[in-house]
Amino acid sequence: GAGVSQSPSNKVTEKGKDVELRCDPISGHTALYWYRQSLGQGLEFLIYFQGNSAPDKSGLPSDRFSAERTGGSVSTLTIQRTQQEDSAVYLCASRSPDRSSGNTIYFGEGSWLTVV
Amino acid sequence: QQQVKQSPQSLIVQKGGISIINCAYENTAFDYFPWYQQFPGKGPALLIAIRPDVSEKKEGRFTISFNKSAKQFSLHIMDSQPGDSATYFCAAGRDLYNFNKFYFGSGTKLNVKP
Repeated sequence: GAGVSQSPSNKVTEKGKDVELRCDPISGHTALYWYRQSLGQGLEFLIYFQGNSAPDKSGLPSDRFSAERTGGSVSTLTIQRTQQEDSAVYLCASRSPDRSSGNTIYFGEGSWLTVV
Repeated sequence: QQQVKQSPQSLIVQKGGISIINCAYENTAFDYFPWYQQFPGKGPALLIAIRPDVSEKKEGRFTISFNKSAKQFSLHIMDSQPGDSATYFCAAGRDLYNFNKFYFGSGTKLNVKP
């Protein structure tokens, strides 16, 4: 597709359930990022994938959070045993490997997660 | 320690006025300072960015002013329009290709009244 695609756009889940959020980056973009945006807060970095390198997981808030990227393209963010404080918008972004195109990263529209 | 502090949290400006959003950073090694614009229901999009070798960068009605000694930078929106109503985020980091190491401000919700 033309942009970063995320699904679902909205998800309401019960506390304690697991959720999976999907990100389909722009074709050819090797860098992929997950961010969390809580109400009234800035963007909180979660995890970063770059090509075949080991991902930078330094932003994951707890071991309930994990992410994978299969085939260097689609990524799935999984939150296990969801808690109410996990309620937020989860944003995915991708960037071209071509440095001549600059540093622009492109965000998806996000997945709005509500834990009740 | 909050690496990037942004103010104000919200801002109301009349159409045609100047909107000013301020950010301050801690790490003197930061060398790239982008601003992002986010409309409701959309992801943030790069608006304008500056490197510390210049004190000002202008793109249309949008200007970044940068004060290296004070570790501050600001976004000015001239002739603000209702279509500018959005949330604006500043960010700072070192080496623009290490975006995973960037820090974001908490955002400013701008409302431009017609």
